[in-house]
Amino acid sequence: KAGVTQTPRYLIKTRGQQVTLSCSPISGHRSVSWYQQTPGQGLQFLFEYFSETQRNKGNFPGRFSGRQFSNSRSEMNVSTLELGDSALYLCASSLSGQTSGNTIYFGEGSWLTVV
Amino acid sequence: QKEVEQNSGPLSVPEGAIASLNCTYSDRGSQSFFWYRQYSGKSPELIMSIYSNGDKEDGRFTAQLNKASQYVSLLIRDSQPSDSATYLCAVTGNQFYFGTGTSLTVIP
Repeated sequence: KAGVTQTPRYLIKTRGQQVTLSCSPISGHRSVSWYQQTPGQGLQFLFEYFSETQRNKGNFPGRFSGRQFSNSRSEMNVSTLELGDSALYLCASSLSGQTSGNTIYFGEGSWLTVV
Repeated sequence: QKEVEQNSGPLSVPEGAIASLNCTYSDRGSQSFFWYRQYSGKSPELIMSIYSNGDKEDGRFTAQLNKASQYVSLLIRDSQPSDSATYLCAVTGNQFYFGTGTSLTVIP
């Protein structure tokens, strides 16, 4: 059974640009969550999507957005990149979503460097 | 107050010893509890989940849950150098809340 797939794995962007990251969840999983991880802040919750609807959102500015498609694949977008957006972006999938208590499984992450 | 608190460490133990990792949480309504391991430069991977008070064992790993004290722990017996990693505690409420992780080093 394939795991959670994230693309691209590594990317470098310039301040002010925008970036789109993609995530394909485990087959059959309908919930996709996104996290930002930096050395100083740990894992910070961005948002969760379930059946194409945003179910929950963390405390990030509106520059961070996401969406989910009918096949459960998800994308997140960051506009007007700032140096502080440099981080590991992790996607996690679960069967029924975070509130159900189901385990969440992480992808390998996308390493974003903003210069 | 953070939802989930962990000692950041670093925690160092000699090979073969027991490593004890602790976690406290603030939401008494939390129902599901997880331990993830994260190697440097890698993504978190699930070690164990626990839902009921008491102990749950899986190989060298034992998770302990005490809901009255709002406390979760992970014991690693016969620690190996390959166990050196950051261990993340996670608790569910309306979302997954992660602690900042405890860095463990097992010294050969």
